[in-house]
Amino acid sequence: DAKTTQPPSMDCAEGRAANLPCNHSTISGNEYVYWYRQIHSQGPQYIIHGLKNNETNEMASLIITEDRKSSTLILPHATLRDTAVYYCIVRALNYGGATNKLIFGTGTLLAVQP
Amino acid sequence: DARVTQTPRHKVTEMGQEVTMRCQPILGHNTVFWYRQTMMQGLELLAYFRNRAPLDDSGMPKDRFSAEMPDATLATLKIQPSEPRDSAVYFCASGNLPEGGVHEQYFGPGTRLTVT
Repeated sequence: DAKTTQPPSMDCAEGRAANLPCNHSTISGNEYVYWYRQIHSQGPQYIIHGLKNNETNEMASLIITEDRKSSTLILPHATLRDTAVYYCIVRALNYGGATNKLIFGTGTLLAVQP
Repeated sequence: DARVTQTPRHKVTEMGQEVTMRCQPILGHNTVFWYRQTMMQGLELLAYFRNRAPLDDSGMPKDRFSAEMPDATLATLKIQPSEPRDSAVYFCASGNLPEGGVHEQYFGPGTRLTVT
């Protein structure tokens, strides 16, 4: 699975958009980009995933560059409850179900400031 | 709102004792994962099951750890004998795995294990 690089920490003002970058320059054509987050003392939470196209759901938007070497997770209106460690994970799906590992790196600690 | 549940939430035990952690996956999910999180190692996969059969347990120390799914509603992770280095938060996650693979894994609240 491709390695990802994320800044260790970021700050964001409450109510503003939080843009979390992720570099995955060695991503392969069949690898998806996933974002999870972990709020303090809780289990990780799935946010969104994408392959090539930009994706949006009720939690966030995912922007993937055309060359797929980087992506940005956007929380449109950050709240204090969005303070968490955000993990960017790149992984291929293995048809036949052989491997479904999520390999978590160190992530980005997003601190939303009041 | 369907959730993964884990028991106990906290466990303190002495070195050498047996520890059993339990997980109830979301009803209908066919894949269960066990992760361990420590400050030093971060979040790492120990093992996972699909349709109750173990698919991968390469991340688990085989001499003392064992994972089973007695039925579709219960997954267990057992440590015998426990050691201080096993102190960590253990997470269970479940997902629905079609042949194409799992996109979303739903995590439980974790079991915080302290071995003294």
